[in-house]
Amino acid sequence: GAVVSQHPSRVICKSGTSVKIECRSLDFQATTMFWYRQFPKQSLMLMATSNEGSKATYEQGVEKDKFLINHASLTLSTLTVTSAHPEDSSFYICSARGAGNLANYGYTFGSGTRLTVV
Amino acid sequence: QKEVEQDPGPLSVPEGAIVSLNCTYSNSAFQYFMWYRQYSRKGPELLMYTYSSGNKEDGRFTAQVDKSSKYISLFIRDSQPSDSATYLCAMSKAAGNKLTFGGGTRVLVKP
Repeated sequence: GAVVSQHPSRVICKSGTSVKIECRSLDFQATTMFWYRQFPKQSLMLMATSNEGSKATYEQGVEKDKFLINHASLTLSTLTVTSAHPEDSSFYICSARGAGNLANYGYTFGSGTRLTVV
Repeated sequence: QKEVEQDPGPLSVPEGAIVSLNCTYSNSAFQYFMWYRQYSRKGPELLMYTYSSGNKEDGRFTAQVDKSSKYISLFIRDSQPSDSATYLCAMSKAAGNKLTFGGGTRVLVKP
């Protein structure tokens, strides 16, 4: 089945530094990837949608300059949290969908990255 | 008002019981409906996927969609302690479009 690998699973960084999170589709080509943020005991909040080779579409209220998304290939998308602050601490999850029939069968999620900014 | 409403629970049931979960939604444009299971600090795992109204069964899981009532359900038969997790409903307006999630229901199956 479709597998999405997300790395790192956990990261602690100092306030003011930047952190990069990678999301890879291992056995399919992901034409679209989605990035979510999840606070404890809350649901997933969509941050942005990225299509391979084009700029990401951000949801209302999400700072484009703070959360940089790159989807340079059909198997890799990255989310960079720039100048991180403690309020950016959260669980970040990526999701990918492929072209063709895969697009009709839900979306495959990565295992998530727990970011703690100290 | 949220587009998709889901009781947060927790829902506690004894092992072997039927778990009944549901979501209501307000936007009639939703056509594709999904149920995900999420264990603590893990990414969601797709359980069931249905298109438009109707029922779908897969092993111990049954998903129902009633578009006229804007109501979807997930039933888990013969529940096991390993079914203890948060269950999220999700829906989209078209195949491949972004998902709108419910808030999730936490389920606890007691041995």
